[in-house]
Amino acid sequence: LAKTTQPISMDSYEGQEVNITCSHNNIATNDYITWYQQFPSQGPRFIIQGYKTKVTNEVASLFIPADRKSSTLSLPRVSLSDTAVYYCLVGEGNRKLIWGLGTSLAVNP
Amino acid sequence: KAGVTQTPRYLIKTRGQQVTLSCSPISGHRSVSWYQQTPGQGLQFLFEYFSETQRNKGNFPGRFSGRQFSNSRSEMNVSTLELGDSALYLCASSFETVKNRDTQYFGPGTRLTVL
Repeated sequence: LAKTTQPISMDSYEGQEVNITCSHNNIATNDYITWYQQFPSQGPRFIIQGYKTKVTNEVASLFIPADRKSSTLSLPRVSLSDTAVYYCLVGEGNRKLIWGLGTSLAVNP
Repeated sequence: KAGVTQTPRYLIKTRGQQVTLSCSPISGHRSVSWYQQTPGQGLQFLFEYFSETQRNKGNFPGRFSGRQFSNSRSEMNVSTLELGDSALYLCASSFETVKNRDTQYFGPGTRLTVL
């Protein structure tokens, strides 16, 4: 089961681009990488999922290098409402044991 | 489609009591997982049910149990409540076509307070 490591917290300002990197050194060949967002007292919300290279949707982009040992969630032009905790999960990790603390992103005015 | 619903949203119990929480998954989803989240800790996996069978289980004592019905709705039960059981209990459902890329959809959670 691939273990993920991500920064505990990050600070940013409105309008900036935010990049959150997650390392997953022992990712398995068939594993996908999934990112979730969680606001206080709510359930996590799916943001984006990818396998390799780059994936983009209406809210974020996910960059995955060729070796797939890390991934970067990119949030363009963040606003105050993007203040949340962001979790990086790999493969079946989203259903197992402990998710970890995720990255607490604070967006300042 | 309607999202994952959990009832009740808030619950206050006293030590020693038992509690049952309910989760209705998204229509068509057969996998239901339960998580406990306490302040300062990430989500901790409790168990997963698929087609009425418990498929995975986390590291929680036997006081925590669950079940899934034929319509995929799920319940979890906590007996002999302890103060440390105060937490946000989250339910997530998934359709699960491919495990490695499975996406979970979470409900709003049930906030349990044990006094």
